[in-house]
Amino acid sequence: QKEVEQDPGPLSVPEGAIVSLNCTYSNSAFQYFMWYRQYSRKGPELLMYTYSSGNKEDGRFTAQVDKSSKYISLFIRDSQPSDSATYLCAMEAGSARQLTFGSGTQLTVLP
Amino acid sequence: SQTIHQWPATLVQPVGSPLSLECTVEGTSNPNLYWYRQAAGRGLQLLFYSVGIGQISSEVPQNLSASRPQDRQFILSSKKLLLSDSGFYLCAWSVQGAVSPLHFGNGTRLTVT
Repeated sequence: QKEVEQDPGPLSVPEGAIVSLNCTYSNSAFQYFMWYRQYSRKGPELLMYTYSSGNKEDGRFTAQVDKSSKYISLFIRDSQPSDSATYLCAMEAGSARQLTFGSGTQLTVLP
Repeated sequence: SQTIHQWPATLVQPVGSPLSLECTVEGTSNPNLYWYRQAAGRGLQLLFYSVGIGQISSEVPQNLSASRPQDRQFILSSKKLLLSDSGFYLCAWSVQGAVSPLHFGNGTRLTVT
């Protein structure tokens, strides 16, 4: 079993839809959780960085962490074609050297 | 603000040739530096990380090596490339001595022919 599981998709939604992206993990030592957005042929871009359980909102993006269920989510409201990218979850126990990534979910937002 | 530069963006090299990929960070001092490889449909694999000049830790034994000749410069090298070295190579940095996320460059797509 992988430490971090992420549905690879692909996921296609119409413009304006609410998108839910999810990751599950098995290591209860993970404390810091990140979501990255990666456009084709580009490096991952940090979207959200959270520590505690609960929700963190930034514009159209909301990151949700449920440590009891070992489950994290990223919600995108009012999705736009420019949101089409691969989304990577990542988590660590306190050392960036030990950052563990999901394999990414490919999202396409159709105009 | 901090920026990270990687070059070249794409590279095609024959098997057996040497490799040198360079990464520089601006706007911060004494960062932690990382080299990752990303294979299609798979997650990112940490290759090397560095906490200071001349200090390199290898995470995966392989045909590659890394060096940090200056505080904000990180180089990935190989003496003789293999076909299996093809991939997307990413440099990243994080703040030294603090819990901090990684910030990535735009990567180098290497094709070994």
